Amino acid sequence: GAVVSQHPSWVICKSGTSVKIECRSLDFQATTMFWYRQFPKQSLMLMATSNEGSKATYEQGVEKDKFLINHASLTLSTLTVTSAHPEDSSFYICSATGGNTEAFFGQGTRLTVV
Amino acid sequence: SQQGEEDPQALSIQEGENATMNCSYKTSINNLQWYRQNSGRGLVHLILIRSNEREKHSGRLRVTLDTSKKSSSLLITASRAADTASYFCAPGGTGGFKTIFGAGTRLFVKA
Repeated sequence: GAVVSQHPSWVICKSGTSVKIECRSLDFQATTMFWYRQFPKQSLMLMATSNEGSKATYEQGVEKDKFLINHASLTLSTLTVTSAHPEDSSFYICSATGGNTEAFFGQGTRLTVV
Repeated sequence: SQQGEEDPQALSIQEGENATMNCSYKTSINNLQWYRQNSGRGLVHLILIRSNEREKHSGRLRVTLDTSKKSSSLLITASRAADTASYFCAPGGTGGFKTIFGAGTRLFVKA
């Protein structure tokens, strides 16, 4: 199957700093990417949908100014957690899909804000 | 968008037994995927079944899909302690079809 790579796989940052997470489709062009967040012992919650070259669509309750999403190319989307706080500590997962393909998921990024 | 709901929420079995978990969804789909997630880890893709398929096998896994009932099942045969994980179904389409995950089924296989 297709490969979606996330980087980094884990990151620890200080409160108040910003963290960027990358999601890359390695062998296909991802017209749409999705970002999910998962708190411990909970399911994956969809945060936003991003289409290449356009602004991301955020789910209700997700702050777009805090979670900046950029999908500038067909193989890369980035999620930047701005002014991170301990409550932002979570597992972030992206998925990517091409025009006529199913969605493939990255391995996830564990963010810990101290 | 499309949401999958897994059932049961939790399942505890002995090693060697079979484990069956179900997924229901509400609208038409193009495909359905099953994923496993070990505690604190990422998603591992298990199997994909397309809407024109009724059953698919992969090793000890058997997936069925009934589009008339909008349901799918995942059977793990001869379970092992290493199968202990959460299992999620992901009903999907193509393109920008977003998937909303259910709570998953937590499987615990006792050695």
